[in-house]
Amino acid sequence: GDSVTQMEGPVTLSEEAFLTINCTYTATGYPSLFWYVQYPGEGLQLLLKATKADDKGSNKGFEATYRKETTSFHLEKGSVQVSDSAVYFCARSENSGGSNYKLTFGKGTLLTVNP
Amino acid sequence: DAGVTQSPTHLIKTRGQQVTLRCSPKSGHDTVSWYQQALGQGPQFIFQYYEEEERQRGNFPDRFSGHQFPNYSSELNVNALLLGDSALYLCASSLPPNTGELFFGEGSRLTVL
Repeated sequence: GDSVTQMEGPVTLSEEAFLTINCTYTATGYPSLFWYVQYPGEGLQLLLKATKADDKGSNKGFEATYRKETTSFHLEKGSVQVSDSAVYFCARSENSGGSNYKLTFGKGTLLTVNP
Repeated sequence: DAGVTQSPTHLIKTRGQQVTLRCSPKSGHDTVSWYQQALGQGPQFIFQYYEEEERQRGNFPDRFSGHQFPNYSSELNVNALLLGDSALYLCASSLPPNTGELFFGEGSRLTVL
């Protein structure tokens, strides 16, 4: 079935290091793609999104580009901070008609950034 | 502007019992979805409510049921609890038209002993 596969964690980086978290998806059709973030003790929140091929979503220094040819949506940040430590989830939407969408999530990648 | 609020935040039940979790969506949002997040896993879609009806359902047994009220708030009920139902239950709200952008609450942590 349709799914989302993301890089296994945990990922540990030093402050100012470059971050990549890989995400690939399978889908029939053209889903929208998302990265959600879960900070310690908080709920999931949307980090960025892309709704069609070649779109680039960006927020808080994070970027991800919707690549239809490779069915990927890798998350990148040029210089991570300690405050970026969180669990990151890649997700794709699935529409069952009308305005009824649901999200399929990857398993999450725990990122720890050390000072 | 209040976001999505859920209650209770934590609860402990024993096998065979029943539980009701509650959710108030973000102001102005009329669609509520429920997700189950097991430890170390991504959220799994349970079901979605819109206009007080269940519109979509994930791969969960009939022990999981829900309701949406005229004020758009929602309840998730789980009967005959199993140990495997222990998880964080997330409520998310959205406002159509949307492409799946959801606003999540902090969740209700259910432990089944």
